[in-house]
Amino acid sequence: DADVTQTPRNRITKTGKRIMLECSQTKGHDRMYWYRQDPGLGLQLIYYSFDVKDINKGEISDGYSVSRQAQAKFSLSLESAIPNQTALYFCATSGPGLAGGIFGEQFFGPGTRLTVL
Amino acid sequence: GENVEQHPSTLSVQEGDSAVIKCTYSDSASNYFPWYKQELGKGPQLIIDIRSNVGEKKDQRIAVTLNKTAKHFSLHITETQPEDSAVYFCAVNYGGSQGNLIFGKGTKLSVKP
Repeated sequence: DADVTQTPRNRITKTGKRIMLECSQTKGHDRMYWYRQDPGLGLQLIYYSFDVKDINKGEISDGYSVSRQAQAKFSLSLESAIPNQTALYFCATSGPGLAGGIFGEQFFGPGTRLTVL
Repeated sequence: GENVEQHPSTLSVQEGDSAVIKCTYSDSASNYFPWYKQELGKGPQLIIDIRSNVGEKKDQRIAVTLNKTAKHFSLHITETQPEDSAVYFCAVNYGGSQGNLIFGKGTKLSVKP
């Protein structure tokens, strides 16, 4: 079974609809992330969470919200979807870093392709 | 803000040739430099990383070199194979050792048989 799973894998919705993307992990990691990927723009950080009670905004949080329901679950919501939120969305997790505080490898889910019409 | 520039955006090589992808960054406090490979329809996967206390790291056909003075690091793939075809992303941490990653815009590598 995959360590990081995302549902749904594909979603088409209309402008103004509320959408939730879900992420679950079995790696036992405390840190979880949501990224957005647009063609030619790499990965941009939307939100991140270092534990259940810790939620932080990333580079492009406007129009998005998150919920960390448990250590293993981190959901991303679009309250009122708009066409320029059409993109590929990735969830990732990471474990504790090495001595000195550098965090470890990030493990990515398979992605959710979201289209907003 | 912090920035990571990655070049080239596309790279086409013949099977067996070498491929080099370069990244430059701006935050002098950055000390972690991973490279990710993304195959079609999948999430990125770490292939190699380097920390600022070393200048070079190798893992079979891939290597990463780091020049902290010039603030650039490179991915080297030798004896390329068709299965190396993918999009490669560099990344750096910013804001200190607990900082998050900022990614380059990616390089699409095509290896022609």
